[in-house]
Amino acid sequence: AQTVTQSQPEMSVQEAETVTLSCTYDTSESDYYLFWYKQPPSRQMILVIRQEAYKQQNATENRFSVNFQKAAKSFSLKISDSQLGDAAMYFCAYPLYIQGGSEKLVFGKGTKLTVNP
Amino acid sequence: EPEVTQTPSHQVTQMGQEVILRCVPISNHLYFYWYRQILGQKVEFLVSFYNNEISEKSEIFDDQFSVERPDGSNFTLKIRSTKLEDSAMYFCASKGGGYIQYFGAGTRLSVL
Repeated sequence: AQTVTQSQPEMSVQEAETVTLSCTYDTSESDYYLFWYKQPPSRQMILVIRQEAYKQQNATENRFSVNFQKAAKSFSLKISDSQLGDAAMYFCAYPLYIQGGSEKLVFGKGTKLTVNP
Repeated sequence: EPEVTQTPSHQVTQMGQEVILRCVPISNHLYFYWYRQILGQKVEFLVSFYNNEISEKSEIFDDQFSVERPDGSNFTLKIRSTKLEDSAMYFCASKGGGYIQYFGAGTRLSVL
């Protein structure tokens, strides 16, 4: 069964510093996507960044970047220059293919990020 | 920017009552989903819907649950007889032809 593991239930970072959130996953597929979603206290799920497995280059979105290591099945999220607004739960997600050309997202348990001023 | 809209934001109901959670997906999206998040736990897949029928459902999605797309814009989740353990955040998501699922802000369901 496909699983997504986030081994850090909580992390904290000082404002303006860099933090890395870990995620490992299990799959037998060779081509897939991976996602990081952010859930602030409002509890809305917001897509932060995605990575396509066939691309060697790590995805980057402004202050957010990933370290994707396909062989190790590792997909960590790096947040640079952390801001107070980055405080949230962060979920790693893997899309598991289902019928009809669709996918269901399998989420990790999440990492709660605290940003200290 | 188009977004997924969910109503109500918070629903309080008595155990045994029926509730309907409503979602307006992004127009021209074809795939629709419901996920559930019990407080403090991870987000779990409930059901996916495509071409006016369920394409996959989880073990959580038992006979008490149903989904419907009653018109061209709404996508609803009905829980026939709510139980205490149905208390959770329910997220609707939609997807177009790509790989990204866009989530609504969620409906917090409280069953008393």
